[in-house]
Amino acid sequence: GAVVSQHPSWVICKSGTSVKIECRSLDFQATTMFWYRQFPKQSLMLMATSNEGSKATYEQGVEKDKFLINHASLTLSTLTVTSAHPEDSSFYICSAQDILNTGELFFGEGSRLTVL
Amino acid sequence: EDQVTQSPEALRLQEGESSSLNCSYTVSGLRGLFWYRQDPGKGPEFLFTLYSAGEEKEKERLKATLTKKESFLHITAPKPEDSATYLCAVGGNTGRRALTFGSGTRLQVQP
Repeated sequence: GAVVSQHPSWVICKSGTSVKIECRSLDFQATTMFWYRQFPKQSLMLMATSNEGSKATYEQGVEKDKFLINHASLTLSTLTVTSAHPEDSSFYICSAQDILNTGELFFGEGSRLTVL
Repeated sequence: EDQVTQSPEALRLQEGESSSLNCSYTVSGLRGLFWYRQDPGKGPEFLFTLYSAGEEKEKERLKATLTKKESFLHITAPKPEDSATYLCAVGGNTGRRALTFGSGTRLQVQP
C-alpha cells in the first residue's frame, strides 16, 4: 500500500527555537496533505490543509505565523513550528490522499515534539 | 459541523471474547466513514472505508458495518495483538476534504 513518511520521528528542542517536520508521500503524488496534532489519549485535531503550489488553509484557532506550512512539490509538505514553546509539545501527524488511485487517506508515523 | 462520537472510551477483553465498538456520527452528506488502528506513538493505520448504509467490510478478525447514523467495528475472537486504539473518522461533502475524527476506543485484549 501507499506509504507516507514523516521525519523526524521525534525531536527535542529548546524554547524559542524553530523545528521543521517533513512529510513525504513515497509512492504516489499528493496534491493535498493534512497536518494533525494529537495530545495524549485524545483524538487527532486538524491543524491545516496543505495544498501543493498554494497557501495552506488553517483551521480556526491555529496560528498560521507560528505553524508554517510549505507544500512545494507533489510529494513533500513541511510543517515548521516557529519560536516553539513548551505548550507546543505534542504529537504531529501528517496525512496524504492518494487521489489518483484509491482516494484513500494514508498517515505518516507521526513526529513527537518536546519543547524544553 | 461534522461530529464523531466513539464508545466505549476504553474496553478490556479476554482473548477470544468478541465485542463491538461504536461510532456515532453526524455529517453533511457522507463522503465516507473510515476506521483506523493506532498503536502508541504511531500514526493511524488504515483499516476500512464505508460509503453507504448497509455496507460491510471484513479483514481478518475485524468487521465494519454502517448505518445512516452509526458504524460498528466488530472484533471476533480477539487476540492480544489486536490491542490498540481504534479511531473512527468521517468525511463530508461540504468541500472540506479533511476527515473529522472521534476520540477513539482504547482496546486491551488480555491473554
